[in-house]
Amino acid sequence: AQSVTQLDSQVPVFEEAPVELRCNYSSSVSVYLFWYVQYPNQGLQLLLKYLSGSTLVKGINGFEAEFNKSQTSFHLRKPSVHISDTAEYFCAVSGGSGGSNYKLTFGKGTLLTVNP
Amino acid sequence: DTEVTQTPKHLVMGMTNKKSLKCEQHMGHRAMYWYKQKAKKPPELMFVYSYEKLSINESVPSRFSPECPNSSLLNLHLHALQPEDSALYLCASSQDRGVEKLFFGSGTQLSVL
Repeated sequence: AQSVTQLDSQVPVFEEAPVELRCNYSSSVSVYLFWYVQYPNQGLQLLLKYLSGSTLVKGINGFEAEFNKSQTSFHLRKPSVHISDTAEYFCAVSGGSGGSNYKLTFGKGTLLTVNP
Repeated sequence: DTEVTQTPKHLVMGMTNKKSLKCEQHMGHRAMYWYKQKAKKPPELMFVYSYEKLSINESVPSRFSPECPNSSLLNLHLHALQPEDSALYLCASSQDRGVEKLFFGSGTQLSVL
């Protein structure tokens, strides 16, 4: 079984500052890793994903994440945030190729608040 | 059309009511999912339909009854719910039964009184 730990429940930052949202996973098999964003009263939108290949993954809205197998991490970064990035961010894991990849297991979420 | 549409957006129901949540997609996806998200918590998988057949039931109580009448529609029938069932119910779809590219709807916010 897979699990995900998001180390920070809340991250406040100022506009135009860089941000890193931390995610660690646990799994005994290969995994797929995802970051989703959820704006208030809305569903989830996929920011980016790691399935295989290059460990640096670029997503929408200027976000990127790096898969680090030795540290079992998949941290999300953005060099300069905007007010509109204020939202809840979820890291998620599923079984990789050959595994049970029908189910996403989500972390508890990180609330990113961007202040002017 | 890359949308998953859920109706209604909001629903208030009593514990003796019967209601249904609806989900629709026209992307030709053959897998559809129901997730439940309680306030300030992550989404949790409830059901997976693959090619209109129920393939995964994550030990959900029988007061929740899913139905997939065709490849574009997914319903969730609700009966005799409890106040603790109040949550955001999210529908999602994917091409096949894999989460590599999952599309979520905006959800139905359900309140059980």
